[in-house]
Amino acid sequence: DAGITQSPRHKVTETGTPVTLRCHQTENHRYMYWYRQDPGHGLRLIHYSYGVKDTDKGEVSDGYSVSRSKTEDFLLTLESATSSQTSVYFCAIGTDSNQPQHFGDGTRLSIL
Amino acid sequence: GENVEQHPSTLSVQEGDSAVIKCTYSDSASNYFPWYKQELGKRPQLIIDIRSNVGEKKDQRIAVTLNKTAKHFSLHITETQPEDSAVYFCAASRKGASKIIFGSGTRLSIRP
Repeated sequence: DAGITQSPRHKVTETGTPVTLRCHQTENHRYMYWYRQDPGHGLRLIHYSYGVKDTDKGEVSDGYSVSRSKTEDFLLTLESATSSQTSVYFCAIGTDSNQPQHFGDGTRLSIL
Repeated sequence: GENVEQHPSTLSVQEGDSAVIKCTYSDSASNYFPWYKQELGKRPQLIIDIRSNVGEKKDQRIAVTLNKTAKHFSLHITETQPEDSAVYFCAASRKGASKIIFGSGTRLSIRP
């Protein structure tokens, strides 16, 4: 399996607090992605990165920011968490879009 | 933008029968089509992929077919088993793109 570690694996927090999720890879892949998965909505792309300090928005980017200061780390930040951001968050990595993406084990985030 | 539609959203088949999941894509430049399987509580995992230069690819009980003219591709699972129960996602991408477009998923249930 691809070396992808997401942390934390579970988190419960309150509305209005900042939250940061971390994705760490040991594969030296160029591309990193953050998805959220909710019942009935499949996998929705939040943000992605195509290199260090190079990021772009996905289809559901509002309320989220990302940073990639090193090849191996991609951080997802919820500046002020809302209940609508309760979800399972998956990180994925890839060499390019014409190659398979490999997913991390996910982070289950609950915002009360 | 590019869109991938997946049908059906749920599918129930008798153990031992075949299952077929269909996807259509909108971007005629798409040339890479992976399929992912996600078991309950787990991460999505690649099970098979196909590129636009071939029409069919098989791996034991699973196969994928591609019709570039009609812009659709399908996943075929033969001799279904209980462990095939999962959510399946199709996806499409084109060379040079930074991201893969996922379908909305199909929940496959195998009846004993």
